[in-house]
Amino acid sequence: DSGVTQTPKHLITATGQRVTLRCSPRSGDLSVYWYQQSLDQGLQFLIQYYNGEERAKGNILERFSAQQFPDLHSELNLSSLELGDSALYFCASSTRQGASEAFFGQGTRLTVV
Amino acid sequence: EDKVVQSPLSLVVHEGDTVTLNCSYEVTNFRSLLWYKQEKKAPTFLFMLTSSGIEKKSGRLSSILDKKELFSILNITATQTGDSAVYLCAVESGNTPLVFGKGTRLSVIA
Repeated sequence: DSGVTQTPKHLITATGQRVTLRCSPRSGDLSVYWYQQSLDQGLQFLIQYYNGEERAKGNILERFSAQQFPDLHSELNLSSLELGDSALYFCASSTRQGASEAFFGQGTRLTVV
Repeated sequence: EDKVVQSPLSLVVHEGDTVTLNCSYEVTNFRSLLWYKQEKKAPTFLFMLTSSGIEKKSGRLSSILDKKELFSILNITATQTGDSAVYLCAVESGNTPLVFGKGTRLSVIA
């Protein structure tokens, strides 16, 4: 157990809908990262927050947004969902701004039907 | 654009064999290279390498980085069925926290 908690574990929703994925980092970790893993693309970096502020942005779609709250948990919001958004979404956390030795949660498997 | 390429994409070996997984990278402002093992869900951390030529070792697994040639290898000796997994290489750069390769799927058969 990495200490990073993601909920829900599975999510099935229809196209056009909006969902929220939640992540609780390891105790003491200030950085949270979101990654998307699909079969053909591998792990793709979406966005990083450090102590409540956005630090780095990857290939995150405009339909996706995230935030990190004062208690350091983070939420990833996905809206106007498309079939192609079906993937595993991972959250990772680390103590520092750099991602070295980031620890990953178990992921949320999103299926858009 | 930062890039990490792993080879081979998949590999099937017999128990007891030794395997070498490759990772090459092109990134700006290299900071570190990491290896992860992914079985069913979450990638689990194996090694972090920052200095060239220094081998990191953990049991039957070892890894080394060549910063001049921009690659790393992960060796697994005396493979066991429990080593079957996807092995991911990732590079931390000044631009992106972690850029991942597509992974090498290792299958170890008894």
